[in-house]
Amino acid sequence: AQSVAQPEDQVNVAEGNPLTVKCTYSVSGNPYLFWYVQYPNRGLQFLLKYITGDNLVKGSYGFEAEFNKSQTSFHLKKPSALVSDSALYFCAVRLRSGGSYIPTFGRGTSLIVHP
Amino acid sequence: SQTIHQWPATLVQPVGSPLSLECTVEGTSNPNLYWYRQAAGRGLQLLFYSVGIGQISSEVPQNLSASRPQDRQFILSSKKLLLSDSGFYLCAWSVPRGGGGSLNTEAFFGQGTRLTVV
Repeated sequence: AQSVAQPEDQVNVAEGNPLTVKCTYSVSGNPYLFWYVQYPNRGLQFLLKYITGDNLVKGSYGFEAEFNKSQTSFHLKKPSALVSDSALYFCAVRLRSGGSYIPTFGRGTSLIVHP
Repeated sequence: SQTIHQWPATLVQPVGSPLSLECTVEGTSNPNLYWYRQAAGRGLQLLFYSVGIGQISSEVPQNLSASRPQDRQFILSSKKLLLSDSGFYLCAWSVPRGGGGSLNTEAFFGQGTRLTVV
């Protein structure tokens, strides 16, 4: 079945250290992958997406993501974490349902950045 | 620019009461519209989506229904709420395939409604 998976419920990192939030995918054809962030009691905000081309995608707030086809992964990264980066992060893909392609999300990873 | 409005932000309702949550989008035409529910601050469950006025697809049969009476209005309803309907409800939109969107277009979310059924 086509899906995205986020293997970590929670990631802890110290402020100033690099961070990685993992995502793996299982998609037939070309994968179109997305990352979103959610702050408490708020809607999701789009961070970045992979279409085709460069495997390193740059997005908002200093985040980037590395697409790896052989490992079927799309990990979210940031060179230096901030306390304000603490939030819930979702990896997503659009999956076919009927005649439409529906945004489908992983279960989310809680990122906690310690001062 | 496009904006999405969702209200109310919070709602406390007794079991057995009706529900109506509204979502409107501005600055775009014929958007794809979605209702998601997020339980316990975690993964998003797709409830309904719509590709046009009066066109509603349900992903999960349950105590809820959705309607799209106007192009940019999406309503989530229930006739009688259950305790299990409590959660964080999110409306979202995306550009449709015929409108320049495709598999690689992102979704844009409203601020969510925190529903507590007591």
